[in-house]
Amino acid sequence: DAGVIQSPRHEVTEMGQEVTLRCKPISGHDYLFWYRQTMMRGLELLIYFNNNVPIDDSGMPEDRFSAKMPNASFSTLKIQPSEPRDSAVYFCASSLFTYTEAFFGQGTRLTVV
Amino acid sequence: GNSVTQMEGPVTLSEEAFLTINCTYTATGYPSLFWYVQYPGEGLQLLLKATKADDKGSNKGFEATYRKETTSFHLEKGSVQVSDSAVYFCALSDNYGQNFVFGPGTRLSVLP
Repeated sequence: DAGVIQSPRHEVTEMGQEVTLRCKPISGHDYLFWYRQTMMRGLELLIYFNNNVPIDDSGMPEDRFSAKMPNASFSTLKIQPSEPRDSAVYFCASSLFTYTEAFFGQGTRLTVV
Repeated sequence: GNSVTQMEGPVTLSEEAFLTINCTYTATGYPSLFWYVQYPGEGLQLLLKATKADDKGSNKGFEATYRKETTSFHLEKGSVQVSDSAVYFCALSDNYGQNFVFGPGTRLSVLP
């Protein structure tokens, strides 16, 4: 398996634009996580899915953020409209069970100017 | 809720020095414990894990023992190398809905 695949690796966008980040989890993994990493706040869990269903989205910072998982092999994290404070590295991870290790993608570095 | 506390560093060591990064946790039930490593510009990689009390996880010369009595999972390595320079994250996960809580990370720099 190629591991968790995220795209794009880098995204630069202007304030107010819509941004969509994509993730392909490891095949067979039932759990998918979206994290945001910044110097100030460290690694924050935004939302996680179990069998394509959102279980906990309490970490989503505000209504501008939304996440979907239309099928077992694809998830998106959308920011609309984007703001400079959204600049961060966004990671997707997947795991087989809740108590097993999570495998991380390479991340998407988002810069909002 | 569950939480993880680890020394934030940065930690600077000379090559071949002994490394300890402390990690303690608070959790309901019996979580699995993990150490992840993040090299510059990359995602987090699993370094080692332990799933029950007294288990020892080990990989690439790193070790950590799941201590239920002290709720700790300290990371150790007997002789660090320059290539070990990275950020190390302690994490826990359980099957009660609190998934993958991470510590703040500890930046390690190893000087030749």
